[in-house]
Amino acid sequence: EDQVTQSPEALRLQEGESSSLNCSYTVSGLRGLFWYRQDPGKGPEFLFTLYSAGEEKEKERLKATLTKKESFLHITAPKPEDSATYLCAVQAGGTSYGKLTFGQGTILTVHP
Amino acid sequence: KAGVTQTPRYLIKTRGQQVTLSCSPISGHRSVSWYQQTPGQGLQFLFEYFSETQRNKGNFPGRFSGRQFSNSRSEMNVSTLELGDSALYLCASSASSGRDTQYFGPGTRLTVL
Repeated sequence: EDQVTQSPEALRLQEGESSSLNCSYTVSGLRGLFWYRQDPGKGPEFLFTLYSAGEEKEKERLKATLTKKESFLHITAPKPEDSATYLCAVQAGGTSYGKLTFGQGTILTVHP
Repeated sequence: KAGVTQTPRYLIKTRGQQVTLSCSPISGHRSVSWYQQTPGQGLQFLFEYFSETQRNKGNFPGRFSGRQFSNSRSEMNVSTLELGDSALYLCASSASSGRDTQYFGPGTRLTVL
């Protein structure tokens, strides 16, 4: 069974204090690993898709990396508006059509 | 390009009733997936439709069902509602059901009393 574990569950940072969120996964044939951001009461907002180990993607203050067993979301010099829940999800190969398996998320709070 | 839309945004029902939720995917997207999000279980996959066919189904009872129309719009139905069905129901669309990124709608907040 596919599994995704995110750590830490919650992270409190001061504005400008860089850090990383972790996503460990076990999946039968990784088709893709996805990072989303979710604000309270809203749907997840797409951030990144990673397909193979060694791949990296960046967007503003965020950088996502992927190894064969985990992914990291690095946040550089965060701002209060980066406060949200960050979700990691995997899609397995084979007949896992349209199915994403999500982790429980990391709640990030950035204080001014 | 317009995003994924879901209607209604909020719904209050009583136990035993049934409910239908609607999802309009991004124009050109043919795959629609549905998820249930609760504080305890997080985001869980319900089912996926592609070209009007259910291609995949999660571990939910038969009370949860769905369908997809020829214009890719999708509906999900929950019959005989239980208190535990209270959740945020999210719909996501992608161009196909392969490696394409899923884009989520705002969700429908269902409260069962």
